[in-house]
Amino acid sequence: GAVVSQHPSWVICKSGTSVKIECRSLDFQATTMFWYRQFPKQSLMLMATSNEGSKATYEQGVEKDKFLINHASLTLSTLTVTSAHPEDSSFYICSATRDSNYEQYFGPGTRLTVT
Amino acid sequence: AQSVTQLGSHVSVSEGALVLLRCNYSSSVPPYLFWYVQYPNQGLQLLLKYTSAATLVKGINDFEAEFKKSETSFHLTKPSAHMSDAAEYFCAVRKGGGNKLTFGTGTQLKVEL
Repeated sequence: GAVVSQHPSWVICKSGTSVKIECRSLDFQATTMFWYRQFPKQSLMLMATSNEGSKATYEQGVEKDKFLINHASLTLSTLTVTSAHPEDSSFYICSATRDSNYEQYFGPGTRLTVT
Repeated sequence: AQSVTQLGSHVSVSEGALVLLRCNYSSSVPPYLFWYVQYPNQGLQLLLKYTSAATLVKGINDFEAEFKKSETSFHLTKPSAHMSDAAEYFCAVRKGGGNKLTFGTGTQLKVEL
């Protein structure tokens, strides 16, 4: 149990376009979802925390107008990278928690390449 | 504020040798600590977690870690390395009263024949 999926697993887009990444909890209801980005050979950096039905909370330095997060249901959160630029190329990973359980379950990640 | 420090960005061991990956934490309150493994182009998989219960925590694939308050450490060990253990390992601490995690910088484990 506690499986998290992401779609797509990889995406290539042109500079200036927008890209949407989905994160789904497949067998549980996720009260909270997290979005991370990971540059090559580096650690995970938390971008934002989202709770179903409410606005996401962004970490300091993360542009909320550029990285739009929607947590429309207890099983789905989306991250939209708007007007993507090459510097947005990264590995984006989501995670989810259920109920009051502190454990985060991670998705497999999405590789975004902006050309 | 809670944080973790992983000493050694790269560790190389021979197959069958002991694996020791170091993690030190700083926390003003008893922390929740985690070790995750990441294989190339994949998400994170939980190896084990410390939640203020037993100080010696056993995880999957024969990994274990010992919480030592006096040393503020939570080092990860495995008695005998296997080639399939080659991966990136992250130590993490639960941040604040919520579910946020703060990750260390990671340690790349290489296993040689």
